Amino acid sequence: EVQLLDSGGGLVQPGGSLRLSCAASGFTFSSYGMSWVRQAPGKGPEWVSAISGGGGTTYYGDSVKGRFTISRDNSKNTMYLQMDSLRAEDTAVYYCATINGYFQYWGQGTLVIVSS
Amino acid sequence: EIVLTQSPGTLSLSPGERATLSCRASQSVSGSNLAWYQQKPGRAPRLLIYGASSRATGIPDRFSGSGSGTDFTLTINRLEPEDFAVYYCQQYGSSPRTFGQGTKVEIK
Repeated sequence: EVQLLDSGGGLVQPGGSLRLSCAASGFTFSSYGMSWVRQAPGKGPEWVSAISGGGGTTYYGDSVKGRFTISRDNSKNTMYLQMDSLRAEDTAVYYCATINGYFQYWGQGTLVIVSS
Repeated sequence: EIVLTQSPGTLSLSPGERATLSCRASQSVSGSNLAWYQQKPGRAPRLLIYGASSRATGIPDRFSGSGSGTDFTLTINRLEPEDFAVYYCQQYGSSPRTFGQGTKVEIK
């Protein structure tokens, strides 16, 4: 059974940093592109970032480009999202998901609140 | 960026009725690369449909998708109590991947 476990969310002040993790199991992790999708309270989902199976290619949405860094450690079946220079508008539930264009499997989400 | 507009915003129906949800794209979605998701409160979205009309693994056949170009439809035949939720469309024909704002299907 495919499982994705998101963690690392919390309360952070504007301008601060946070690192999210996504631990995967139940599938060959290195064979799958992975992504982060976020959802602000009461809003639709928003794609944030994606990374290829081998980790060599990364993609970012315009709203986070230059502030967030996606990475993965295939030896640990884990993906990360380093979030720097956080803003109030980054407040959301962050989900990791497998990506094949569409998002097939999702984690349970981790809440990030950016507030002073 | 392709903007997806979903209508109606809310659909009030009774169990057993048919739900018809619309998703209109601001420009043509290449390859009919459109997906539909269901989301219940406090839960992650669940993939229902990909490729505009292919059901994801384990999705009941009362869910069906259709459309191409700029107009897509999700139909839910014979609504079950567990189908009352919010539904999102998402295009993956071009970057960035974008989602619609959602249609809430509520119990009448």
